[in-house]
Amino acid sequence: DTEVTQTPKHLVMGMTNKKSLKCEQHMGHRAMYWYKQKAKKPPELMFVYSYEKLSINESVPSRFSPECPNSSLLNLHLHALQPEDSALYLCASSQDSGNYGYTFGSGTRLTVV
Amino acid sequence: GQNIDQPTEMTATEGAIVQINCTYQTSGFNGLFWYQQHAGEAPTFLSYNVLDGLEEKGRFSSFLSRSKGYSYLLLKELQMKDSASYLCAVRLSGNTPLVFGKGTRLSVIA
Repeated sequence: DTEVTQTPKHLVMGMTNKKSLKCEQHMGHRAMYWYKQKAKKPPELMFVYSYEKLSINESVPSRFSPECPNSSLLNLHLHALQPEDSALYLCASSQDSGNYGYTFGSGTRLTVV
Repeated sequence: GQNIDQPTEMTATEGAIVQINCTYQTSGFNGLFWYQQHAGEAPTFLSYNVLDGLEEKGRFSSFLSRSKGYSYLLLKELQMKDSASYLCAVRLSGNTPLVFGKGTRLSVIA
């Protein structure tokens, strides 16, 4: 299995809703990432988990809450989002060291109404 | 801060060759990656350079000069499906997260 699987692919939520994005990989990668990407912009790093521990939080608002239940799963819990949070949310994973890039999931297209 | 520069947009003709440049000024360097991203889709890995020189992979090649802080992605025999954004990304050290450039939107025309 050489894929990163993200669900759902599309999500529309209201500003008072609570929802979660899910990411799964079975490549034995020990680093997992959440990126946010707006249209025609590069991916912006949000969070990094290394060996299931949060290692980087790029000053992301608390309405985004990451969780890493085990080495294969990464969640992003969403609560009280704003319309400007609408974007493509990308999950990626990589091996813990060496000359490795990321494997990206196909992303969740989030629309906040 | 970290600075990675790429042209914003490029247009090239089907069957031709195009070179997308990337220059970087970063606090560290432990490899440079190129990704392709079609609109609304996830980035896919194209190439990796950590030593100076050219890496060839089919129609795609990538070059690195660490002393100049410069890389390019060369696409040969362009096809319409090559129309996409091309992202240059630098790893600063070890297992630090990749820092992405703003991407180059390539349009291939008939």
